[in-house]
Amino acid sequence: AQKVTQAQTEISVVEKEDVTLDCVYETRDTTYYLFWYKQPPSGELVFLIRRNSFDEQNEISGRYSWNFQKSTSSFNFTITASQVVDSAVYFCALSENTGTASKLTFGTGTRLQVTL
Amino acid sequence: GAVVSQHPSRVICKSGTSVKIECRSLDFQATTMFWYRQFPKQSLMLMATSNEGSKATYEQGVEKDKFLINHASLTLSTLTVTSAHPEDSSFYICSARGGTGEGPYGYTFGSGTRLTVV
Repeated sequence: AQKVTQAQTEISVVEKEDVTLDCVYETRDTTYYLFWYKQPPSGELVFLIRRNSFDEQNEISGRYSWNFQKSTSSFNFTITASQVVDSAVYFCALSENTGTASKLTFGTGTRLQVTL
Repeated sequence: GAVVSQHPSRVICKSGTSVKIECRSLDFQATTMFWYRQFPKQSLMLMATSNEGSKATYEQGVEKDKFLINHASLTLSTLTVTSAHPEDSSFYICSARGGTGEGPYGYTFGSGTRLTVV
């Protein structure tokens, strides 16, 4: 069965600090997708990234970057120069294969608090 | 892009009554709909998966008679919480997947429904 572990429950940083959110996953499939979502206090899920299991290239999008390491089953997320607006709960998620019925399994989330 | 409209966004109901939550895919056909529940400060837990025109598949521990799911069309799925009790108070969120027209990243989430049972 698939499993996603986010060991960091809460992280608190001061604005402009860099912060890395860890994500470790377990799956028996060779084809899978990994996701990161942001959930602000309003509750909606904001999609950040999807990475397929065959693409280990790291990705950068503005202040966000992701490091996918298949060897350690990790998909970590770094926010550079954090801002107060980054305060939210961040979820890492995994779906096995690519069929439409493939369900997303979420990690327990990391609550990020960015203060001035 | 793909949009899923979920409503109501908030609902307060009395204990013992039923509440219906709707999710509509506005610009694509949602062949599969997932329903999640999220308790405060916890993760999203999958409750059930429904395919259009078929009975929903419930996750272990989820009462199918209490959480009725209907997915009668390719654009609408509903979750009815029957005989709601305070312990059913939670944030419910749907996620749709489909073929033609679905968003480039697959899963499209509704904005969620905060249910409070008093």
